[in-house]
Amino acid sequence: DIQMTQSPSSLSASVGDRVTITCRASQSISRYLNWYQQKVGKAPKLLIYAASSLQSGVPSRFSGSGSGTDFTLTISSLQPEDFASYYCQQSYSTLTFGGGTKVEIK
Amino acid sequence: QITLKESGPTLVKPTQTLTLTCTFSGFSLSTSGVGVGWIRQPPGKALEWLALIYWDDDKRYSPSLKSRLTITKGTSKNQVVLTMTNMDPVDTATYYCAHHAYGPIDAFDVWGQGTMVTVSS
Repeated sequence: DIQMTQSPSSLSASVGDRVTITCRASQSISRYLNWYQQKVGKAPKLLIYAASSLQSGVPSRFSGSGSGTDFTLTISSLQPEDFASYYCQQSYSTLTFGGGTKVEIK
Repeated sequence: QITLKESGPTLVKPTQTLTLTCTFSGFSLSTSGVGVGWIRQPPGKALEWLALIYWDDDKRYSPSLKSRLTITKGTSKNQVVLTMTNMDPVDTATYYCAHHAYGPIDAFDVWGQGTMVTVSS
């Protein structure tokens, strides 16, 4: 199985901050990497697919980059509604999710 | 508009078999490139992919749970059924079904609201 490791597991940030979350694959997955946002008590929501493609309706402050084994999700200016957990997921082979990153209010 | 909704028991006993149904609308599981998957999340923990069935009846399973899982298309054209045998308290989780768009997106792009399943005697 391909293991997905996210860092950090949690972070505290303020509204307006630039936030970066990292996801590392245990082997190369090309660009088969998706990012999801999950708010408390809600189902996950797809933000980014294929490493850097913005899902329809997702604000442009979200962006993704990377290929191979190292990927990042960036929120350019954190908004109040962005406080949530974020998960990466690889679709290169048997699907796996990362352990998640919780973004909390500073 | 694509919607999905999970249904099934909220409480099962250890060793029992869990059967969950995903009822969907807004797409057809006969359309090329379409799939429906199951993902679970124990309380306070990360997401875990379980199984995925494609339009052509190709089925994929999590290697760690493969021996316990079966995913099928339901008798109704707009349903997918997941069975998990030999339930244990560690299987307590919220279970989600989701639409999988194979191809350019290759991700779970629409999710159901989830159903909480507790395993306890």
